[in-house]
Amino acid sequence: AQSVTQLGSHVSVSEGALVLLRCNYSSSVPPYLFWYVQYPNQGLQLLLKYTSAATLVKGINGFEAEFKKSETSFHLTKPSAHMSDAAEYFCAVSQRGSARQLTFGSGTQLTVLP
Amino acid sequence: DGGITQSPKYLFRKEGQNVTLSCEQNLNHDAMYWYRQDPGQGLRLIYYSQIVNDFQKGDIAEGYSVSREKKESFPLTVTSAQKNPTAFYLCASNPNRGTEAFFGQGTRLTVV
Repeated sequence: AQSVTQLGSHVSVSEGALVLLRCNYSSSVPPYLFWYVQYPNQGLQLLLKYTSAATLVKGINGFEAEFKKSETSFHLTKPSAHMSDAAEYFCAVSQRGSARQLTFGSGTQLTVLP
Repeated sequence: DGGITQSPKYLFRKEGQNVTLSCEQNLNHDAMYWYRQDPGQGLRLIYYSQIVNDFQKGDIAEGYSVSREKKESFPLTVTSAQKNPTAFYLCASNPNRGTEAFFGQGTRLTVV
C-alpha cells in the first residue's frame, strides 16, 4: 500500500519569499514521486518528478524537490515566490511497474501575498 | 496538438438521472483513468483501464460505470446510484506503468 501526506492544507508566503510545501510518503517498494499544480477549474500540470535518478529534481517555473529516503520526504521548494505561483499543489506517489496509477495527497493551497 | 479532451466543462444533472462524461485522448496512451476531486480530499481514483475492452475499479467505483471500446476514448457514466455526484471529475492517461499522468481540463458536475 502507498500513501501521501501533505502537511498544511494552506500555506501563505510573501512575494519574493521562499516557498516550502511538505510531502511525506509511504511505499513498500521504491517509489516514483510527483508534484502537480492546479489552477482553479483546470486540470493538473506536472511540475516535476522523481524516478530514481538524481535525488534533487528540478522542474518548471523554478520549482525543485529533493527526495530523502531516510525521511520518506519529497518537499517542494522555490527560492522566490511570484504572484503567479498561487495555486493548489498536489504531491503524488506511484509504485514502479504498477498499473494502479497515482495516489495523491490532499493538496496544499498556496497563497502569495503582495 | 496532442492532449486529453474532456467534455462538457460544466454539466448539470437532475436527481435520478444518469449522465455521461466524455474523455478523448490522441496521445496514443494505453492507460486511462478517472479521478474525482472534492475540496480538501485530493484526487480519488474511480476507474482505470490499461487496455481496450478491459478496466478495473478504483477506490470509489460505486455508482459509476465506464467503457473502453476504443483506445482513444474512456467515457464515465455517473448513475443515479451515486448518492453524492457533485464534484470535479478529471480524466488522465499515461504511456507506461507507474509514470506520470497527463490530465484533461476536467468536468464540473452539479446536481440540481
